[in-house]
Amino acid sequence: KNQVEQSPQSLIILEGKNCTLQCNYTVSPFSNLRWYKQDTGRGPVSLTIMTFSENTKSNGRYTATLDADTKQSSLHITASQLSDSASYICVVGSNFGNEKLTFGTGTRLTIIP
Amino acid sequence: EAGVAQSPRYKIIEKRQSVAFWCNPISGHATLYWYQQILGQGPKLLIQFQNNGVVDDSQLPKDRFSAERLKGVDSTLKIQPAKLEDSAVYLCASSSLGASNEKLFFGSGTQLSVL
Repeated sequence: KNQVEQSPQSLIILEGKNCTLQCNYTVSPFSNLRWYKQDTGRGPVSLTIMTFSENTKSNGRYTATLDADTKQSSLHITASQLSDSASYICVVGSNFGNEKLTFGTGTRLTIIP
Repeated sequence: EAGVAQSPRYKIIEKRQSVAFWCNPISGHATLYWYQQILGQGPKLLIQFQNNGVVDDSQLPKDRFSAERLKGVDSTLKIQPAKLEDSAVYLCASSSLGASNEKLFFGSGTQLSVL
């Protein structure tokens, strides 16, 4: 069964600090790995999409890494801002004809001033 | 560029009642998805359309849920009759072609509470 596990479940950090969120997956066959940001009461917004051959991708202060051998990914947030408070969801795509996405349960990040 | 539009934003109904949600995807997007997101969980795919055809409805509880996309543009998801466990946020998403590695754009969702 395809699964995506994220850690920690929740995280509180001070504004301006850096943080790293983790994602482990058992999805086969692997097609891509995505990170989404979901603000409270809103739909998820795409941050990065990485394929098998990519091991890092940045979007502003967000940097995602992918280790396809160990089936792990991380999302690093630099110089956090209050607006970074949200849930961050790791999503892994598998393509066996039609692409299917497996969603993690997310990490709830709270930035405090 | 306008995003994915959904309505209503909130809906409260009693169990055994029926409810319908509407979604208008980004203009020109051929692929439309309906997801169910229960509090504290990641979204779960209910149904995927490619134009007006169903690509995947394997996780749609067909005894009570139905969805249509008659003209290949906007879509309606219906629940009849609703159960307590249907309380969730229903998210609509769209993508240009539904191809692998393609970005999905989500609406803000409809929050359903079944009492």
